[in-house]
Amino acid sequence: DQQVKQNSPSLSVQEGRISILNCDYTNSMFDYFLWYKKYPAEGPTFLISISSIKDKNEDGRFTVFLNKSAKHLSLHIVPSQPGDSAVYFCAAVANFGNEKLTFGTGTRLTIIP
Amino acid sequence: SAVISQKPSRDICQRGTSLTIQCQVDSQVTMMFWYRQQPGQSLTLIATANQGSEATYESGFVIDKFPISRPNLTFSTLTVSNMSPEDSSIYLCSVGTAKNIQYFGAGTRLSVL
Repeated sequence: DQQVKQNSPSLSVQEGRISILNCDYTNSMFDYFLWYKKYPAEGPTFLISISSIKDKNEDGRFTVFLNKSAKHLSLHIVPSQPGDSAVYFCAAVANFGNEKLTFGTGTRLTIIP
Repeated sequence: SAVISQKPSRDICQRGTSLTIQCQVDSQVTMMFWYRQQPGQSLTLIATANQGSEATYESGFVIDKFPISRPNLTFSTLTVSNMSPEDSSIYLCSVGTAKNIQYFGAGTRLSVL
């Protein structure tokens, strides 16, 4: 049972344009969401997070949007840069504080120069 | 964020043997976790490594197959026992923070022949 889903396994975006990565979840107990970026041969790197009490969180070029009613979140990267090419995972936590992350399957983002 | 050193970074092992993976953190942390990422799959939590007590395993993972040690607040090991080709994966340790964010080591890429 995949509780966190990333339906697009890959995405290609022109440099300078906006990249939008999507994530859906099924467990309504999830109350904290995170995005990680992973390069080959490295561990996932934390990017940005959002609590369920918010619908938007912004950090530089990265913005995460949360639509609780639709159980959907998205990561916007603007402008996209070649160094953004990586696999992006969304993750969710149920019951803030227990720290058990449930990960999505990942989306491979390729930025085309 | 914590600095996490994981070793070995990769190994090729024969079936039926065991491999112990080490995870060292540069500061004391309460929560340490072990994940597995099978080829083309998401990250799956194996267990939570508890300091001073037995690890807490997720459904589908058992102590006999994946024994874990946590002798102090900066170190943990995961052993993959009696390996088979199906155990070929990337194994990652992570540490939790008060903000629900986890930081990951670079991972151990295991191939079982």
